[in-house]
Parts: sequence; structure tokens; C-alpha cells
Amino acid sequence: DVVMTQSPLSLPVTLGQPASISCRSSQSLLYSDGNTYLNWFQQRPGQSPRRLIYKVSNRDSGVPDRFSGSGSGTDFTLKISRVEAEDVGVYYCLQGAQWPWTFGQGTKVEIK
Amino acid sequence: EVQLVESGGGLVQPGGSLRLSCAASGFSFGIYWMSWIRQAPGKGLACVANINPDGSQTYYVDSVKGRFTISRDNAKNSLYLQMNSLRVEDTAEYYCVRAEGRTVVDPWGQGTLVTVSS
Repeated sequence: DVVMTQSPLSLPVTLGQPASISCRSSQSLLYSDGNTYLNWFQQRPGQSPRRLIYKVSNRDSGVPDRFSGSGSGTDFTLKISRVEAEDVGVYYCLQGAQWPWTFGQGTKVEIK
Repeated sequence: EVQLVESGGGLVQPGGSLRLSCAASGFSFGIYWMSWIRQAPGKGLACVANINPDGSQTYYVDSVKGRFTISRDNAKNSLYLQMNSLRVEDTAEYYCVRAEGRTVVDPWGQGTLVTVSS
């Protein structure tokens, strides 16, 4: 199975400051069709997850533009340009290049 | 409005069985891959099973192979997960999700909680 490793696992951030989460995969997520299947999800406290980013850097509809994704191969990053109170929660990366699809352990973002 | 509503969770003893259901509405159910994803209490997310649009292809994570069966009824816009030989470690919230382009597509349902305990 492809192992997804996120860091840090806990991220205290000051409101208005940037935040960055790393996700590394044990194998390249570049699929034979030329796409890289790395996605980011947000799970706010007490809620179901929602997708923020798909195929590395494509923001879902309704996702604020302060969220951005980047990376390639095995190394990926989710950035929040200016953290707001509503961004508190756990963030997960998910690879879809190989079954079973696997998630990272999650990064808990909290306000300092 | 797209909706996925899971049901069928509950408390079951180790070795027991449960059948989860997911009622889908607001989209063309029969053209989507569907998946079950679970989340143990206070833990992360894990994909459990996938099924293709016509139900002819299914995929399982190793830990549930031979015990769980994913199926669908496109005429009823419904997804199912038959869970047999349940173990304590199967305790989790189970989410029914749409899949497209090798990823999960929003929205997620509210989940249904399965608790395996004696």
C-alpha cells in the first residue's frame, strides 16, 4: 500500500498568519494517464470531511483562495495564506493513484 | 441537491454481522463509482471498499477482504456494505461517498456509527 506521511501532526497558528502542511507518499502519485492523484480534505470539529483540493492544485468550488496546493511526484504541500478561525480542524491528504486509496494521518490546525 | 444518507449502524458483538445502507439522491447514481470510508473514534480516515458504476468491479482494503461485501442497486439509488465476522477494530463511523477521477467527491454523508463490543 502507498503510505502517506503528513507533517506536522499538530499546527498551532496565529490568526492571519500562514500555515503549511506537508504530505509525502511512499511511491510516486503520477498515474499512467499523466495526472497526479493527490487530494486534500478538511474536517472541521464534529463535521464530515470535505474536499478542498484535487489533483494536487485544483481548488474545489466554494473553497477560499487562501487555500492552495502544490507539489509533484511524492512531495506535496497544502498552504493557507492567512489562517482564519473557521480553518480550525484536521487536514488530510489522500492518494488515489493506487488502490487501496490511502489517507495521511491528519494534521490538526488550531489557533494559538 | 446531492445527498447521501447512511443507515444501519449500531452495536454488535464481535463475530456478528451488520448491513449498512446508503440512500443517494440528487445525482445520477448509476454513473458514479462509490466507496465506503471509515473513521475510528478520534482517528483518521481509511478507505474500505470501492465499487464501479455497474457493480461488476469491487475493491477492498486487505483488512476487510473476505469479511465485507460492497454492493449497489442502481434502480434503488442505493449502496450497501455487508459486514460479517466483525472485529473490535471495525468500530468506526462509516461514510458513503461518491468517487470520480480517482478521488472522493463532495458531499459526504453524515455517517453511520458501527460499534463492535462485547
